[in-house]
Amino acid sequence: EAGVVQSPRYKIIEKKQPVAFWCNPISGHNTLYWYRQNLGQGPELLIRYENEEAVDDSQLPKDRFSAERLKGVDSTLKIQPAELGDSAVYLCASSVQGYEQYFGPGTRLTVT
Amino acid sequence: DAKTTQPPSMDCAEGRAANLPCNHSTISGNEYVYWYRQIHSQGPQYIIHGLKNNETNEMASLIITEDRKSSTLILPHATLRDTAVYYCIVRGNTDKLIFGTGTRLQVFP
Repeated sequence: EAGVVQSPRYKIIEKKQPVAFWCNPISGHNTLYWYRQNLGQGPELLIRYENEEAVDDSQLPKDRFSAERLKGVDSTLKIQPAELGDSAVYLCASSVQGYEQYFGPGTRLTVT
Repeated sequence: DAKTTQPPSMDCAEGRAANLPCNHSTISGNEYVYWYRQIHSQGPQYIIHGLKNNETNEMASLIITEDRKSSTLILPHATLRDTAVYYCIVRGNTDKLIFGTGTRLQVFP
């Protein structure tokens, strides 16, 4: 069974530039999560989807971050414009609702 | 969701049992204890979870005290590949996982 797929694995951009991350969850998993992980910290939830509906986006900085999950399968997380403080690893996870979450390898973003 | 307390780091010799403690003194009756680990440059990986009974799977054992205020994750025969950050998480009825800073386990030869 294929795991959660994320791309790109690494991204380096200059501040004020836009950036997008893509996630393909495990087949059949209706719940999808985006997390941000700063260096030395545990992951923090940004947004959670049930199918195509965002059911928890309270931690998503909506002035510059946006996300979508069209057709309830894969998802894109966008930052526009990026700031230096956005440098982090962005993790995607998926689950069957109520069960354990499976994480992808993450995208390491560096903003210069 | 209840907060957890873990030691920041631990060492373990290869082949020995690694016992990772976690305190969750404010846990509620319907909250589960979950353990994840994160190997360097990878996403977190689910290990095991439990409510009040001890649990065992192919990866580890989870021992929860009778008052449920603390638990211990046991890796019975640690290998170098078990070197990782281990997160103890208390999870309620929602899907939300709140990660702390975890315990960095270093397994040495």
